[in-house]
Amino acid sequence: AQTVTQSQPEMSVQEAETVTLSCTYDTSESDYYLFWYKQPPSRQMILVIRQEAYKQQNATENRFSVNFQKAAKSFSLKISDSQLGDAAMYFCAYRSARDGGSNYKLTFGKGTLLTVNP
Amino acid sequence: ETGVTQTPRHLVMGMTNKKSLKCEQHLGHNAMYWYKQSAKKPLELMFVYNFKEQTENNSVPSRFSPECPNSSHLFLHLHTLQPEDSALYLCASSQDSYADEAFFGQGTRLTVV
Repeated sequence: AQTVTQSQPEMSVQEAETVTLSCTYDTSESDYYLFWYKQPPSRQMILVIRQEAYKQQNATENRFSVNFQKAAKSFSLKISDSQLGDAAMYFCAYRSARDGGSNYKLTFGKGTLLTVNP
Repeated sequence: ETGVTQTPRHLVMGMTNKKSLKCEQHLGHNAMYWYKQSAKKPLELMFVYNFKEQTENNSVPSRFSPECPNSSHLFLHLHTLQPEDSALYLCASSQDSYADEAFFGQGTRLTVV
């Protein structure tokens, strides 16, 4: 079974600064997807960024980028130029790339609460 | 707004009550999910439906009963719950086996008294 670990329960960053959130995972599969989801106080989980394991290039979405280290099974999220609206709970998640049945499911970490200080 | 709507947003129920949570999506997705989010714990997958067929029941107690009448609607029927069942219940949907993104609703905050 896959597991996802987020070792930082809470992080804080000054507005306009850069912060990195850590995530490690455990799997025996070679092909999979990794995600970062954001959950603001509105409670709705919003996809921030995704990474396909077969791609060596790190995914980037505007101010959000990842550092994907497949051998180390590490998937950190870097937020540049932090904004007050980035304050939220961030979840790292894993999904198998195998077809069918329960492989659609996402396995989540416990989350990191990010505070952005003005 | 992600296109997945959950009702009610908040629910308080006694342990002897029967209630239902509703999830609706009009994104054309074929897979729908129930997750349970408790404080300081990872989101726990409860059920997966794919093309209206239940493909996973993650050892969920029988006091939780899912129903998927069509690919746009998903229900979670609740009866004789326990206080430890109090949590945020999230519904999600995704396209199909070739999709990798799940879209979530805003959840139902359930309190069992």
